[in-house]
Amino acid sequence: GAGVSQSPSNKVTEKGKDVELRCDPISGHTALYWYRQSLGQGLEFLIYFQGNSAPDKSGLPSDRFSAERTGGSVSTLTIQRTQQEDSAVYLCASSLRVADTQYFGPGTRLTVL
Amino acid sequence: GNSVTQMEGPVTLSEEAFLTINCTYTATGYPSLFWYVQYPGEGLQLLLKATKADDKGSNKGFEATYRKETTSFHLEKGSVQVSDSAVYFCALSDLNAGGTSYGKLTFGQGTILTVHP
Repeated sequence: GAGVSQSPSNKVTEKGKDVELRCDPISGHTALYWYRQSLGQGLEFLIYFQGNSAPDKSGLPSDRFSAERTGGSVSTLTIQRTQQEDSAVYLCASSLRVADTQYFGPGTRLTVL
Repeated sequence: GNSVTQMEGPVTLSEEAFLTINCTYTATGYPSLFWYVQYPGEGLQLLLKATKADDKGSNKGFEATYRKETTSFHLEKGSVQVSDSAVYFCALSDLNAGGTSYGKLTFGQGTILTVHP
Protein backbone atom coordinates (compact mmCIF):
# COMPACT_ATOMS: atom_id res chain seq x y z
CA GLY A 1 0.00 0.00 0.00
CA ALA A 2 2.41 2.65 -1.18
CA GLY A 3 1.43 6.25 -0.76
CA VAL A 4 2.21 9.14 -3.06
CA SER A 5 5.92 9.28 -3.84
CA GLN A 6 7.94 12.16 -5.20
CA SER A 7 11.45 12.46 -6.53
CA PRO A 8 13.94 13.85 -5.99
CA SER A 9 13.41 14.72 -2.34
CA ASN A 10 15.84 17.62 -2.67
CA LYS A 11 17.02 19.51 -5.72
CA VAL A 12 19.57 22.30 -5.81
CA THR A 13 19.98 24.08 -9.11
CA GLU A 14 21.47 27.22 -10.55
CA LYS A 15 19.38 30.12 -11.72
CA GLY A 16 18.44 29.70 -15.36
CA LYS A 17 18.55 25.90 -15.41
CA ASP A 18 15.53 23.70 -16.11
CA VAL A 19 14.29 21.18 -13.53
CA GLU A 20 11.88 18.25 -13.60
CA LEU A 21 10.02 17.03 -10.55
CA ARG A 22 8.28 13.67 -10.53
CA CYS A 23 5.16 12.41 -8.79
CA ASP A 24 3.89 8.84 -8.53
CA PRO A 25 0.30 8.90 -7.28
CA ILE A 26 -1.45 6.16 -5.38
CA SER A 27 -2.39 3.37 -7.77
CA GLY A 28 -5.94 3.77 -9.07
CA HIS A 29 -6.26 7.43 -8.13
CA THR A 30 -7.66 9.37 -11.05
CA ALA A 31 -7.12 12.90 -9.74
CA LEU A 32 -3.66 14.41 -9.28
CA TYR A 33 -2.77 17.84 -7.93
CA TRP A 34 0.43 19.88 -7.64
CA TYR A 35 0.86 22.49 -4.90
CA ARG A 36 3.73 24.70 -3.85
CA GLN A 37 4.68 25.53 -0.27
CA SER A 38 6.85 28.60 0.22
CA LEU A 39 7.57 30.92 3.10
CA GLY A 40 6.10 33.96 1.48
CA GLN A 41 3.04 32.46 -0.19
CA GLY A 42 2.06 29.52 2.00
CA LEU A 43 0.46 26.57 0.24
CA GLU A 44 -0.71 27.33 -3.29
CA PHE A 45 -2.49 25.23 -5.87
CA LEU A 46 -0.60 24.89 -9.16
CA ILE A 47 -2.29 22.39 -11.49
CA TYR A 48 -4.82 19.56 -11.51
CA PHE A 49 -5.26 16.45 -13.68
CA GLN A 50 -8.36 14.28 -13.86
CA GLY A 51 -8.41 11.26 -16.14
CA ASN A 52 -8.22 12.28 -19.78
CA SER A 53 -9.73 15.72 -19.23
CA ALA A 54 -7.82 18.88 -19.98
CA PRO A 55 -5.83 19.88 -16.90
CA ASP A 56 -6.72 22.91 -14.80
CA LYS A 57 -3.61 25.06 -15.09
CA SER A 58 -5.09 28.09 -13.39
CA GLY A 59 -2.56 28.10 -10.55
CA LEU A 60 0.64 28.02 -12.58
CA PRO A 61 2.53 31.23 -11.75
CA SER A 62 4.13 31.76 -15.17
CA ASP A 63 4.62 30.13 -18.55
CA ARG A 64 7.94 28.77 -17.31
CA PHE A 65 5.92 26.16 -15.42
CA SER A 66 4.35 23.18 -17.15
CA ALA A 67 3.21 19.72 -16.18
CA GLU A 68 2.13 16.54 -17.84
CA ARG A 69 0.64 13.27 -16.74
CA THR A 70 1.47 10.23 -18.80
CA GLY A 71 -0.85 7.27 -19.01
CA GLY A 72 -3.06 8.66 -16.31
CA SER A 73 -0.45 7.88 -13.67
CA VAL A 74 2.98 9.48 -13.23
CA SER A 75 3.19 13.25 -13.46
CA THR A 76 6.15 15.52 -14.15
CA LEU A 77 6.29 19.20 -13.22
CA THR A 78 8.83 21.12 -15.28
CA ILE A 79 10.20 24.54 -14.43
CA GLN A 80 12.20 26.21 -17.18
CA ARG A 81 14.80 28.90 -16.65
CA THR A 82 14.47 28.67 -12.86
CA GLN A 83 14.49 31.83 -10.76
CA GLN A 84 15.31 32.25 -7.09
CA GLU A 85 11.66 32.91 -6.31
CA ASP A 86 10.90 29.38 -7.52
CA SER A 87 12.62 28.01 -4.40
CA ALA A 88 9.94 26.14 -2.45
CA VAL A 89 8.67 22.70 -1.53
CA TYR A 90 6.62 21.23 -4.37
CA LEU A 91 3.89 18.90 -3.17
CA CYS A 92 1.93 16.37 -5.15
CA ALA A 93 -1.39 14.90 -4.03
CA SER A 94 -3.76 12.34 -5.46
CA SER A 95 -7.34 11.34 -4.78
CA LEU A 96 -9.47 8.44 -5.90
CA ARG A 97 -11.92 10.76 -7.62
CA VAL A 98 -12.33 14.50 -7.86
CA ALA A 99 -13.27 16.03 -4.49
CA ASP A 100 -12.29 12.89 -2.57
CA THR A 101 -9.70 13.14 0.20
CA GLN A 102 -6.32 14.17 -1.16
CA TYR A 103 -3.25 12.25 -0.05
CA PHE A 104 0.01 14.13 -0.17
CA GLY A 105 3.51 13.04 -1.03
CA PRO A 106 6.56 14.06 1.01
CA GLY A 107 7.42 16.85 -1.41
CA THR A 108 10.47 17.97 -3.36
CA ARG A 109 12.47 20.80 -1.83
CA LEU A 110 13.77 22.96 -4.66
CA THR A 111 16.54 25.46 -4.01
CA VAL A 112 17.55 27.83 -6.80
CA LEU A 113 20.93 29.46 -6.21
CA GLY B 1 -12.70 34.00 -4.72
CA ASN B 2 -12.07 31.47 -2.00
CA SER B 3 -9.90 32.18 1.01
CA VAL B 4 -9.06 30.73 4.41
CA THR B 5 -7.87 32.75 7.38
CA GLN B 6 -6.21 31.03 10.30
CA MET B 7 -5.32 32.20 13.75
CA GLU B 8 -1.80 33.51 13.68
CA GLY B 9 0.83 31.55 15.49
CA PRO B 10 3.02 30.27 16.76
CA VAL B 11 1.06 28.73 19.61
CA THR B 12 2.95 27.39 22.61
CA LEU B 13 1.16 25.29 25.22
CA SER B 14 1.98 23.04 28.14
CA GLU B 15 1.03 19.38 27.98
CA GLU B 16 -2.64 18.72 28.86
CA ALA B 17 -3.66 22.29 28.04
CA PHE B 18 -6.76 23.05 25.93
CA LEU B 19 -6.13 23.95 22.31
CA THR B 20 -8.14 26.14 19.95
CA ILE B 21 -6.94 27.20 16.52
CA ASN B 22 -9.39 29.52 14.81
CA CYS B 23 -10.24 29.21 11.14
CA THR B 24 -12.68 31.21 9.05
CA TYR B 25 -13.35 30.97 5.35
CA THR B 26 -14.84 32.69 2.33
CA ALA B 27 -16.19 30.56 -0.49
CA THR B 28 -18.29 31.08 -3.58
CA GLY B 29 -20.04 27.74 -3.30
CA TYR B 30 -20.69 25.22 -0.55
CA PRO B 31 -17.26 23.97 0.44
CA SER B 32 -15.96 20.96 2.25
CA LEU B 33 -13.63 21.89 5.11
CA PHE B 34 -10.45 20.20 6.26
CA TRP B 35 -7.70 20.31 8.81
CA TYR B 36 -4.33 19.01 7.64
CA VAL B 37 -1.32 18.47 9.90
CA GLN B 38 2.37 18.48 9.05
CA TYR B 39 4.58 16.85 11.68
CA PRO B 40 8.29 17.76 11.72
CA GLY B 41 10.04 16.17 8.77
CA GLU B 42 6.86 14.61 7.42
CA GLY B 43 4.35 15.31 4.67
CA LEU B 44 0.87 16.78 4.96
CA GLN B 45 -1.68 14.43 6.47
CA LEU B 46 -5.43 14.80 6.65
CA LEU B 47 -6.44 15.23 10.29
CA LEU B 48 -10.20 15.60 9.93
CA LYS B 49 -12.88 16.91 7.60
CA ALA B 50 -16.52 17.98 7.41
CA THR B 51 -18.60 18.23 4.26
CA LYS B 52 -21.78 19.99 5.34
CA ALA B 53 -23.08 22.47 7.86
CA ASP B 54 -23.12 21.32 11.51
CA ASP B 55 -21.00 18.26 10.71
CA LYS B 56 -18.29 17.57 13.26
CA GLY B 57 -15.03 16.08 12.11
CA SER B 58 -12.93 14.29 14.70
CA ASN B 59 -9.69 12.33 14.89
CA LYS B 60 -6.96 11.69 17.48
CA GLY B 61 -8.86 13.74 20.07
CA PHE B 62 -9.15 16.74 17.76
CA GLU B 63 -12.55 18.11 16.76
CA ALA B 64 -13.88 20.81 14.45
CA THR B 65 -17.48 21.74 13.66
CA TYR B 66 -18.59 23.20 10.31
CA ARG B 67 -20.40 26.45 11.19
CA LYS B 68 -22.01 27.90 8.10
CA GLU B 69 -23.57 30.84 9.93
CA THR B 70 -20.17 32.07 11.12
CA THR B 71 -18.17 30.59 8.18
CA SER B 72 -15.84 28.96 10.67
CA PHE B 73 -14.16 25.60 11.31
CA HIS B 74 -12.19 26.01 14.54
CA LEU B 75 -9.91 23.17 15.64
CA GLU B 76 -10.05 22.07 19.28
CA LYS B 77 -8.44 19.50 21.51
CA GLY B 78 -9.15 19.12 25.20
CA SER B 79 -5.70 17.97 26.29
CA VAL B 80 -2.69 18.35 24.03
CA GLN B 81 0.39 16.14 24.09
CA VAL B 82 3.99 16.82 23.16
CA SER B 83 3.45 14.60 20.11
CA ASP B 84 0.85 17.07 18.81
CA SER B 85 3.60 19.59 18.07
CA ALA B 86 3.24 20.28 14.35
CA VAL B 87 1.99 22.79 11.80
CA TYR B 88 -1.79 22.79 11.33
CA PHE B 89 -3.47 23.94 8.12
CA CYS B 90 -7.11 24.73 7.64
CA ALA B 91 -8.33 24.23 4.08
CA LEU B 92 -11.41 24.23 1.93
CA SER B 93 -12.39 22.43 -1.22
CA ASP B 94 -15.08 24.19 -3.18
CA LEU B 95 -16.96 22.32 -5.88
CA ASN B 96 -18.86 25.31 -7.07
CA ALA B 97 -21.75 25.22 -9.48
CA GLY B 98 -20.65 23.20 -12.47
CA GLY B 99 -17.81 21.61 -10.55
CA THR B 100 -15.21 23.75 -12.22
CA SER B 101 -12.94 24.05 -9.21
CA TYR B 102 -12.19 20.30 -9.32
CA GLY B 103 -11.85 20.02 -5.58
CA LYS B 104 -8.56 21.87 -5.40
CA LEU B 105 -7.66 22.89 -1.89
CA THR B 106 -7.33 26.46 -0.70
CA PHE B 107 -5.18 26.58 2.43
CA GLY B 108 -4.78 28.93 5.34
CA GLN B 109 -1.32 30.14 6.21
CA GLY B 110 -0.70 27.44 8.82
CA THR B 111 -0.33 27.59 12.59
CA ILE B 112 2.77 26.27 14.32
CA LEU B 113 1.91 24.46 17.56
CA THR B 114 4.58 23.63 20.13
CA VAL B 115 3.66 21.63 23.20
CA HIS B 116 6.08 21.54 26.13
CA PRO B 117 6.20 18.75 28.73
